[in-house]
Amino acid sequence: QSVLTQPPSASGAPGQRVTISCSGSSSNIGNNRVNWYRQLPGTAPKLLIYNNNDRPSGVPDRFSGSKSDTSASLAISGLQSEDEADYYCAAWDDRLSGVVFGGGTKLTVL
Amino acid sequence: EVQLVESGGGLVQPGGTLRLSCAASGFTFSNYWMHWVRQAPGKGLVWVSRIHLDGSSTNYADSVKGRFTISRDNAKNKVYLQMNSLRAEDTAVYYCARDVFGVPGYWGQGSLVTVSS
Repeated sequence: QSVLTQPPSASGAPGQRVTISCSGSSSNIGNNRVNWYRQLPGTAPKLLIYNNNDRPSGVPDRFSGSKSDTSASLAISGLQSEDEADYYCAAWDDRLSGVVFGGGTKLTVL
Repeated sequence: EVQLVESGGGLVQPGGTLRLSCAASGFTFSNYWMHWVRQAPGKGLVWVSRIHLDGSSTNYADSVKGRFTISRDNAKNKVYLQMNSLRAEDTAVYYCARDVFGVPGYWGQGSLVTVSS
């Protein structure tokens, strides 16, 4: 059972917009920054969003992040087949004194 | 470009020890916290440990506290994970990662640790 809650799966057709949620509490998302990662099968996670809504250089603006109270969201617009992957959120947890991850969301492009 | 390369993984018997290394390049290593994160086969990401810029402070997940030790050598741009009393449930790919705003940001390619008799 992960501390941050994500839906196990999401899907969308090419070109559509998909949103993945990440729910936490006041000790993690509510008081700290959220990062989002994409993981393709057999590869290491890649940073997509940091500091709730910032994109590292090289990440397309199709990817955007937001945070409100104790929840965060990752939005992917203009869905492409190569977006099929697992997506994870993470934040520091003040109560646990450690980083907590969501359980991951498997995105399928229909 | 941030580059992180893990090494030292392999097959070890239950109760055994292993030390993972992570060589960093492409950034000023001594300016960043560093993390270890693991992923069991077919499972999600689980944070293991982190170490302060100068090694003066560390944090561990409860599941590894007392068995694993994180350390770093800023002169060599390396971070280490000493793993003792290994259990079957420690079997995973272990990633080192550079911190970005308190959370793992940039990741290495991972090193597989298998604990089995």
